[in-house]
Amino acid sequence: DVKVTQSSRYLVKRTGEKVFLECVQDMDHENMFWYRQDPGLGLRLIYFSYDVKMKEKGDIPEGYSVSREKKERFSLILESASTNQTSMYLCASTPDGGGYNEQFFGPGTRLTVL
Amino acid sequence: AQTVTQSQPEMSVQEAETVTLSCTYDTSESNYYLFWYKQPPSRQMILVIRQEAYKQQNATENRFSVNFQKAAKSFSLKISDSQLGDTAMYFCARYNNNDMRFGAGTRLTVKP
Repeated sequence: DVKVTQSSRYLVKRTGEKVFLECVQDMDHENMFWYRQDPGLGLRLIYFSYDVKMKEKGDIPEGYSVSREKKERFSLILESASTNQTSMYLCASTPDGGGYNEQFFGPGTRLTVL
Repeated sequence: AQTVTQSQPEMSVQEAETVTLSCTYDTSESNYYLFWYKQPPSRQMILVIRQEAYKQQNATENRFSVNFQKAAKSFSLKISDSQLGDTAMYFCARYNNNDMRFGAGTRLTVKP
């Protein structure tokens, strides 16, 4: 079974803090994604990566950056957390071929910024 | 931005009954992929069913089937013989040309 894990299920941070969200997949997938999930808005793509050290902006990259130093790990960074970044963050991965393949999701990190 | 619309924020169904969740989408491409994902309470999102737009036959996975109307850009999900474990958020999604879009979701409750 494909396993996608995220470093925290719940996280509480203060405004202005630097926040790291980690995602690890164990199936040698090429592509990894970061989404945020908000009620009434569904999932919105923040960034994705199709290879190590490669990244592409999604629909809402402002205020976020990413890092992919190893194939299995994709990190989302909030450089200076703000209250409007309070949300559920989902990581996903797919094998080579892109988004037309099934995406495998992590359990999510619910981030609260105070 | 090209969008995916789920017009039913919440639905409920009695156990063993059939329910249909609606989804419409927007795309200018002739080939694309459509998905239904399920997110049970406090559990990971999983794929329910996938449809390739160039295939006219509607996809089916056990109790789950779709009604894919390409001209109308409609992709509804039918759940037959609903079970309590079907209680979840359901998201419709469309992929084409490196662009993945999700709908806002439908919260389905299956009542005993």
